[in-house]
Amino acid sequence: DGGITQSPKYLFRKEGQNVTLSCEQNLNHDAMYWYRQDPGQGLRLIYYSQIVNDFQKGDIAEGYSVSREKKESFPLTVTSAQKNPTAFYLCASRDRGGNSNQPQHFGDGTRLSIL
Amino acid sequence: GDSVTQMEGPVTLSEEACLTINCTYTATGYPSLFWYVQYPGEGLQLLLKATKADDKGSNKGFEATYRKETTSFHLEKGSVQVSDSAVYFCALMDTGRRALTFGSGTRLQVQP
Repeated sequence: DGGITQSPKYLFRKEGQNVTLSCEQNLNHDAMYWYRQDPGQGLRLIYYSQIVNDFQKGDIAEGYSVSREKKESFPLTVTSAQKNPTAFYLCASRDRGGNSNQPQHFGDGTRLSIL
Repeated sequence: GDSVTQMEGPVTLSEEACLTINCTYTATGYPSLFWYVQYPGEGLQLLLKATKADDKGSNKGFEATYRKETTSFHLEKGSVQVSDSAVYFCALMDTGRRALTFGSGTRLQVQP
């Protein structure tokens, strides 16, 4: 089945540690996105990539980094500079071809907590 | 910047009751509008969408109409089921980044 796979489902970070969240899609989508969800709130955009080897900061990029070396992969690193990393992280992808209003499809998320 | 405002929850209904979740937006241009649903511990699933004024999106008995004059996209269902219990998010897609701006979500609880 085509879809978006996020791993791990749960992740724990120690103080001063960088951690990387994986996002893989087999939908052949060009565009990929990372969002952060805090309890009782909507999602906020961290980074996005419209095409391989290119990515842009979203609304809350500080303390995060990404790479887009392959079309199917868009890993997110939560660095030690992110002082409040505890949240639910969601990855999404979107088909840029054809209809410009194609919706985004989401993975099942990674829950990150601080030890 | 773009923003989405939706009614706060939780909304608690009895099975077979009518549902309306209000959503209004502020945006430049003519964004596409979406409703997503989130079940506990899961990601978001697309429920329905509308891409231009007066479009009606529908799926699984849910409907929403893109009202440009009132900048609204209210979610409605005529008869809810226990299985509809979830958090519902209204969102718009900006015309530049094609990223989503979300409302804060509305939790729906349907009691048997």
